[in-house]
Amino acid sequence: QQQVKQSPQSLIVQKGGISIINCAYENTAFDYFPWYQQFPGKGPALLIAIRPDVSEKKEGRFTISFNKSAKQFSLHIMDSQPGDSATYFCAAAGGYGNKLVFGAGTILRVKS
Amino acid sequence: NAGVTQTPKFQVLKTGQSMTLQCAQDMNHNSMYWYRQDPGMGLRLIYYSASEGTTDKGEVPNGYNVSRLNKREFSLRLESAAPSQTSVYFCASSEGRATIFYGYTFGSGTRLTVV
Repeated sequence: QQQVKQSPQSLIVQKGGISIINCAYENTAFDYFPWYQQFPGKGPALLIAIRPDVSEKKEGRFTISFNKSAKQFSLHIMDSQPGDSATYFCAAAGGYGNKLVFGAGTILRVKS
Repeated sequence: NAGVTQTPKFQVLKTGQSMTLQCAQDMNHNSMYWYRQDPGMGLRLIYYSASEGTTDKGEVPNGYNVSRLNKREFSLRLESAAPSQTSVYFCASSEGRATIFYGYTFGSGTRLTVV
């Protein structure tokens, strides 16, 4: 049973467009929601993260939108670039050990 | 500053063979984790160590054992490898304090094939 559900599985966006990836969670004990970016042959790297006391966080072209009542959060990539082509994972954590639970991942391809 | 170092990067095993995946971090992090990554399934937690001297099972611990050798090192052992353990294995570390959590730093992974 996947605790964090991520969609879509894959996404193709034109250069300059907006990429949107969505995630939903069930466990209300989660209190930390990061997004990770992974390039082929590399480990995931932290991109941006949010805590449930705010509804939005923006860092450059990357924005997390968080809806606590719906238990959903999303990643928006503005002005998408070919260099953004990667696999993106949403995740959630809370409680002992701060264990991250990951979504299944979204393969993003930005076409030039 | 190396971050999280995993060895080896690639390994091919025959069914039934054993091996140990090594992980070391130089960031003085308290917590360390082992994940496996399979297509369409994201990253699944195998074992973790919230602090030196403790280890706990994650979501998919069967067929694996771990050792937190010291604060820097956390190894993953496959006692009798099976084809189902073919995967990419990632080690990660984090600050691990209850009130301050800045996420994980991942290693570059070990690609394991069991034939």
